[in-house]
This record gives sequence, C-alpha cells and structure tokens, in this order.
Amino acid sequence: AQSVAQPEDQVNVAEGNPLTVKCTYSVSGNPYLFWYVQYPNRGLQFLLKYITGDNLVKGSYGFEAEFNKSQTSFHLKKPSALVSDSALYFCAVRWETDSWGKFQFGAGTQVVVTP
Amino acid sequence: EAGVVQSPRYKIIEKKQPVAFWCNPISGHNTLYWYLQNLGQGPELLIRYENEEAVDDSQLPKDRFSAERLKGVDSTLKIQPAELGDSAVYLCASSLRSGSLTDTQYFGPGTRLTVL
Repeated sequence: AQSVAQPEDQVNVAEGNPLTVKCTYSVSGNPYLFWYVQYPNRGLQFLLKYITGDNLVKGSYGFEAEFNKSQTSFHLKKPSALVSDSALYFCAVRWETDSWGKFQFGAGTQVVVTP
Repeated sequence: EAGVVQSPRYKIIEKKQPVAFWCNPISGHNTLYWYLQNLGQGPELLIRYENEEAVDDSQLPKDRFSAERLKGVDSTLKIQPAELGDSAVYLCASSLRSGSLTDTQYFGPGTRLTVL
C-alpha cells in the first residue's frame, strides 16, 4: 500500500541553526511530492513541490527540499531557522500510478524554533 | 487573488444535530476537495469533485455525510446527524485543472467542529 512517513513527531532547533524535516514514501511508480506548513487555527499553506527535473527544489520562505529517489525521501530544509518557522509541517505524495491522484499526507512534524 | 473561503470558521453543536459547511474555491479552479483533519494528524480526503462530478467519495461516510457542488463552484458538506467522533477540522481545498496530478492544492482555513 502507498504510504508517507514523517518519522519525527517534533523537531527542536535553535534560531539560526539549520532545520531539517524528514519525509519518506513508499515506492509505487513516480511520485509527486509536496510540502505544506500549518500555523495554529489556519489551513495548510503550500511551500514547494517536486514534479520532475532538478532534485533540489526551492520554495517559499527560504525553504528547499531534495528529492532522493534511491532513498525514497523528500526532506525539507532551511539553512537558518527563524522563530516564526515554528509550525506543523506536512509532507504529501501523489503517485503516477494512482488514477484517482489522491494525496497521501504524512502525520506531520511539529517544528519548534527557540530564540 | 482571493484564496479558498470557508464558513463558518467554528461550529459547536449538540450530538444528533445537523451541521453544514460551505466552501468557495479559488476562482477558476475546477477541482475541489473536502478533507477531515483530526488533532495532530494529517488531512484525510473525504471527497473530490471535478467540476460538478464527485469522482472520489470512497472515504465519505455516506450514512451521515453528504456533499454537493452545484454549478461546479461552491460546495457544501453536511453531516446529519452529527456524532461525538465527528469533532475535527474540516478543510476545503481547490486546484486548477481537472485530472492533474501535479497541480498544487490550495487550502482554506478550515471549519473547526465541536460536537458535545
């Protein structure tokens, strides 16, 4: 079955340090990969996506993500975290083989950036 | 450009009462989604519309949930009767093209439902 995993429930990082949020997915044809961020009492905001081409994708607010086909991963990164990056982050995947194109979301990773 | 609009933002009802949520997608977006998000979890798809047609409603509990998207624009999601376990956030999202796997989904702020 197709699945998405975010292995860390929470990531703690000091402001100014690099931030990484991990995402892995099951292999089932070509994946289309997305990252979203959710602030309290808000909907999900789109950060970036990988469809094809360059494995390194740059998105909003200084975030980037690297698609690694051999490791079936799509980790989200930011070189220097801000306190305002504290939020809930979701990885989502669609598979080319899924005719319905249903998004599978990970369980989410809470990011806490301390001053 | 206005984003996805949802109303109400919050709703508190007694169990067994009906409730309805409304969504207005981004103008020109053909595909509309309703998701359920439980606390601390990722969204789960309830139903997807391509224009007026519900093309994926396999996760919609049809005994109590119903949805419609008349004229292919606004949509309503209804629960009747509501149960305690329905307490969650109901998210609406839209994307531009029908049948596209690569289009970004844009989410509304959600409706937080509390069933007492």
